[in-house]
Amino acid sequence: GENVEQHPSTLSVQEGDSAVIKCTYSDSASNYFPWYKQELGKGPQLIIDIRSNVGEKKDQRIAVTLNKTAKHFSLHITETQPEDSAVYFCAASIGSGNTPLVFGKGTRLSVIA
Amino acid sequence: ETGVTQTPRHLVMGMTNKKSLKCEQHLGHNAMYWYKQSAKKPLELMFVYNFKEQTENNSVPSRFSPECPNSSHLFLHLHTLQPEDSALYLCASSQDRAYTFGSGTRLTVV
Repeated sequence: GENVEQHPSTLSVQEGDSAVIKCTYSDSASNYFPWYKQELGKGPQLIIDIRSNVGEKKDQRIAVTLNKTAKHFSLHITETQPEDSAVYFCAASIGSGNTPLVFGKGTRLSVIA
Repeated sequence: ETGVTQTPRHLVMGMTNKKSLKCEQHLGHNAMYWYKQSAKKPLELMFVYNFKEQTENNSVPSRFSPECPNSSHLFLHLHTLQPEDSALYLCASSQDRAYTFGSGTRLTVV
């Protein structure tokens, strides 16, 4: 089955700097790659996703890139703010409809003011 | 509030108790999921329901028993749990793989 690896497990950046989190996946048939943000005491919340027919997607300060050949995708956060501090999860899924997501282990991002 | 509501938020139970977790969504989604979240581990998929039918059971011990009476409600019945079952239990619903998670139930087994 699908396996998703996520790095780093923890990341500290200064406010205003950029943060990059990387994930790799094992199954070349995967075609949907979402990113979730989990704040303390809350469930994960979808922040951006990308499908395998595009290489990059951007939403304000957040962007995701996908390299299907290398089977990896990355989350980029620019101009980081203290409220970006949270745990971020990548995920991948195969197929369509409601195929379950396979998640990475998460990255704890700390933005230092 | 995300549109997926889980109750209770916190639960402490003994190993001989029976309890149930409840999840409710009014987003019109047609799939619902139970995930287990433990420290330093990936989110572990437990059960999947598509249109009220269970489509996946990821080798979950029988002390966890799901129930999906309709497309808006999902339960997880618990009995004779072990201390290693202590974790955050997350419910999610989806339409075309975009998940919406609840805030979870923090379960402690003593």
